[in-house]
Amino acid sequence: NAGVMQNPRHLVRRRGQEARLRCSPMKGHSHVYWYRQLPEEGLKFMVYLQKENIIDESGMPKERFSAEFPKEGPSILRIQQVVRGDSAAYFCASSPPGSPGTIQYFGAGTRLSVL
Amino acid sequence: SQQGEEDPQALSIQEGENATMNCSYKTSINNLQWYRQNSGRGLVHLILIRSNEREKHSGRLRVTLDTSKKSSSLLITASRAADTASYFCATANNTGTASKLTFGTGTRLQVTL
Repeated sequence: NAGVMQNPRHLVRRRGQEARLRCSPMKGHSHVYWYRQLPEEGLKFMVYLQKENIIDESGMPKERFSAEFPKEGPSILRIQQVVRGDSAAYFCASSPPGSPGTIQYFGAGTRLSVL
Repeated sequence: SQQGEEDPQALSIQEGENATMNCSYKTSINNLQWYRQNSGRGLVHLILIRSNEREKHSGRLRVTLDTSKKSSSLLITASRAADTASYFCATANNTGTASKLTFGTGTRLQVTL
C-alpha cells in the first residue's frame, strides 16, 4: 500500500542541464498535481494532470518547464536548461478519481539543486 | 493577491500547552484544508473543512472556519514535542475541473519539553 513515490529524492544539476523528476501516484489515483516550494515558503501550484491530459497548467512557467502523465508509467516534470532560480523542492500529490480538489496525498519531494 | 496567509509565522510553546494558528484567504472557496510538514519531508493532510461547516474536530485538532471573515483557525490541544513542524492552510476553489490547492506561507511550530 505504497504512498506517492517521487524520485530521485535529491537531484543536482549544473546550469544548462536538464532535470527530470518522476512521480508515481498512489494506487488507483488518476489525478496528479505538481507543486514547487522555495525555502521558508509555502507550496506553489504548478500543474494538474490526469492520465494523458494536462487539465490546468496555470502555475507552470511559460518556458523550459513541461509535464506529462502518460497512460503507462509515472508522471514526469521536466525542466530544460536549468538555472539557479529553479533550485527548490518539487512535490507531487495525487487524488482518487471522481473527487478532484479534495484531499491530496503528497510524496516526500525531490530537492533540486542547481550549481 | 496572496491567498492563505497564516499567522503567526512562528510559534514556540511548551509541551502540554495549546497552539493556535490562524489563516486568512481572499477568494471564495469550496473547502479549506490544513497540512503538516516536518522538516525536509512532504506534507501530511490533517483535516478538511467544507465551506458550509463552521467547526470540525479530529483527535487533538480543532478547526474553525468563518467564511464571512475569510479566516480559519487550527487549534492543537495538549501539544507534544512530536507536533513540532510547519503547518499550512490550503484552499480549494474547484472551478470546472481545476482542482489546485493554494497554500499559505505556513506557521512554524516549535514544542519544547
